[in-house]
Amino acid sequence: DQQVKQNSPSLSVQEGRISILNCDYTNSMFDYFLWYKKYPAEGPTFLISISSIKDKNEDGRFTVFLNKSAKHLSLHIVPSQPGDSAVYFCAATSGTYKYIFGTGTRLKVLA
Amino acid sequence: DSGVTQTPKHLITATGQRVTLRCSPRSGDLSVYWYQQSLDQGLQFLIQYYNGEERAKGNILERFSAQQFPDLHSELNLSSLELGDSALYFCASSVTSRDGYTFGSGTRLTVV
Repeated sequence: DQQVKQNSPSLSVQEGRISILNCDYTNSMFDYFLWYKKYPAEGPTFLISISSIKDKNEDGRFTVFLNKSAKHLSLHIVPSQPGDSAVYFCAATSGTYKYIFGTGTRLKVLA
Repeated sequence: DSGVTQTPKHLITATGQRVTLRCSPRSGDLSVYWYQQSLDQGLQFLIQYYNGEERAKGNILERFSAQQFPDLHSELNLSSLELGDSALYFCASSVTSRDGYTFGSGTRLTVV
């Protein structure tokens, strides 16, 4: 049972344009959501998070949007840069000690 | 360097064998989490320890076990290995579960 889904395995975007990565979840008990970025041969690194009491959180070029009614969150990267090319995982938790991760979306930013 | 150290980085072993993966958490972090990433799969939660005690368990096989020692380093033991156990095994640490984990660079296990 995949509680966190990233339905797009890959995404290509031109440098300078907006990258939008999507994530859907099924468990209405999730109350905290995170995005991680992973480069090859490295562990995932924390990017940005959002609590369920908010619908938007911004950090520099990265913004996460949460639509609770649709059980959907998205990560916007503006402007996209070649260094943003990586695999992006969304994760969710419900106040327990574990994060449930999606399968990841490979972002390629074309120069 | 994330501050979370995992050894070894690579491990190749035969089916039926037993291996131990080691993780040293970031200084000050009391929680250690183990995740498995198989090919084209997301990160599957295995187990969490907090200050030496098991706190949460995920989809961890009975052939797998873990522990956290008084110095807070953790070991993941995998026994009776099967080909399907080949994966990347990540360790992460945090102060609380809301901090956002800090991951190590992983151990790539290949079972042949």
